[in-house]
Amino acid sequence: NAGVMQNPRHLVRRRGQEARLRCSPMKGHSHVYWYRQLPEEGLKFMVYLQKENIIDESGMPKERFSAEFPKEGPSILRIQQVVRGDSAAYFCASSPTSGGADEQFFGPGTRLTVL
Amino acid sequence: DQQVKQNSPSLSVQEGRISILNCDYTNSMFDYFLWYKKYPAEGPTFLISISSIKDKNEDGRFTVFLNKSAKHLSLHIVPSQPGDSAVYFCAASEDNAGNMLTFGGGTRLMVKP
Repeated sequence: NAGVMQNPRHLVRRRGQEARLRCSPMKGHSHVYWYRQLPEEGLKFMVYLQKENIIDESGMPKERFSAEFPKEGPSILRIQQVVRGDSAAYFCASSPTSGGADEQFFGPGTRLTVL
Repeated sequence: DQQVKQNSPSLSVQEGRISILNCDYTNSMFDYFLWYKKYPAEGPTFLISISSIKDKNEDGRFTVFLNKSAKHLSLHIVPSQPGDSAVYFCAASEDNAGNMLTFGGGTRLMVKP
């Protein structure tokens, strides 16, 4: 059973470009969470999705950031018009239906660098 | 406003000794606490958790203690091994129903052989 997969592992973008980060949850998991880790800081919650629904996006910046988890395919975190402050590691976690907090399994992360 | 704080950015311990990692929180709505271990270039992996109805949970070499009145929890690793060298994050949740986790800033543990 493959774990949570994220791609790309490393992404370099110039200011103003778009970044698309993908997350494939573990098999059988229908809940996806996105977290961001800025340099020298802990992970910060961004958004919680179930298939085709955003459940909680209280941690998402109001502009330029969006997330989706379609019926088919991976969850996508999209950042439009990236700025240097978006440089961070973005982690995705998945959990099974009605899974507890200790059942969030994390992917290896995507390290975004904005030049 | 940091709701979960790990005040020690790093900790160095001799192999075989006890490692104690500390975590403080401010949000009284938190009632489920977790510790994660993270190696470079990998995602966090779950280590151990504790519900607010308990004050101690033990799993092998790892024990988590919770002091609700002080809003403080700690992770004890004994005996420490070089393979335990990693960054440890404490995290909190308002319930164990799969809600978002609030993480501390992490403590880098180095276990010297």
